[in-house]
Amino acid sequence: DTGVSQDPRHKITKRGQNVTFRCDPISEHNRLYWYRQTLGQGPEFLTYFQNEAQLEKSRLLSDRFSAERPKGSFSTLEIQRTEQGDSAMYLCASSLIRYEQFFGPGTRLTVL
Amino acid sequence: EDQVTQSPEALRLQEGESSSLNCSYTVSGLRGLFWYRQDPGKGPEFLFTLYSAGEEKEKERLKATLTKKESFLHITAPKPEDSATYLCAVRTETSGSRLTFGEGTQLTVNP
Repeated sequence: DTGVSQDPRHKITKRGQNVTFRCDPISEHNRLYWYRQTLGQGPEFLTYFQNEAQLEKSRLLSDRFSAERPKGSFSTLEIQRTEQGDSAMYLCASSLIRYEQFFGPGTRLTVL
Repeated sequence: EDQVTQSPEALRLQEGESSSLNCSYTVSGLRGLFWYRQDPGKGPEFLFTLYSAGEEKEKERLKATLTKKESFLHITAPKPEDSATYLCAVRTETSGSRLTFGEGTQLTVNP
């Protein structure tokens, strides 16, 4: 399968713990995006990379969130000191510059 | 600030009953309007991109159209497998590469 993959698919954690998610984009895509989606809402932009450079971060992204794409291939999204309000589906997407974004299956985070 | 509004929030159709979903937008300089389909617990699946007013795209039972203020997703003779949430998103001059999504229309097609 050559689509966007995400790992894990589901994560349950206790409030205050740190979690890390991984995204593997479509191999030839140089842009990678992270979005967050809560129930009944559309995806909300968090951040994006072009190759290994993080070009934009949403104002909604608190200091507890950090993302990396060290070699311009896969990316990780870390949430430190999780809160119940962080419970959501975290979606990764990839694209070529100025083209359509293709999404992965998402990571469902539940913070207890 | 870019705004995208989808209507209705939910739509129930009988199999074969054609209808349309609406996506209205208020943006500064549209660079693309995108339609996605999302099944429960899965990521959005890309359907169409529209760039300019008057443009139309078709795929099987779906047809997307674009005006200067809104887009329609027409569903002709839907089948139960068309049941999903349909999301509309825009990319604009001010948003760069980020997509701004509407809240979606949840479509249910009964057999």
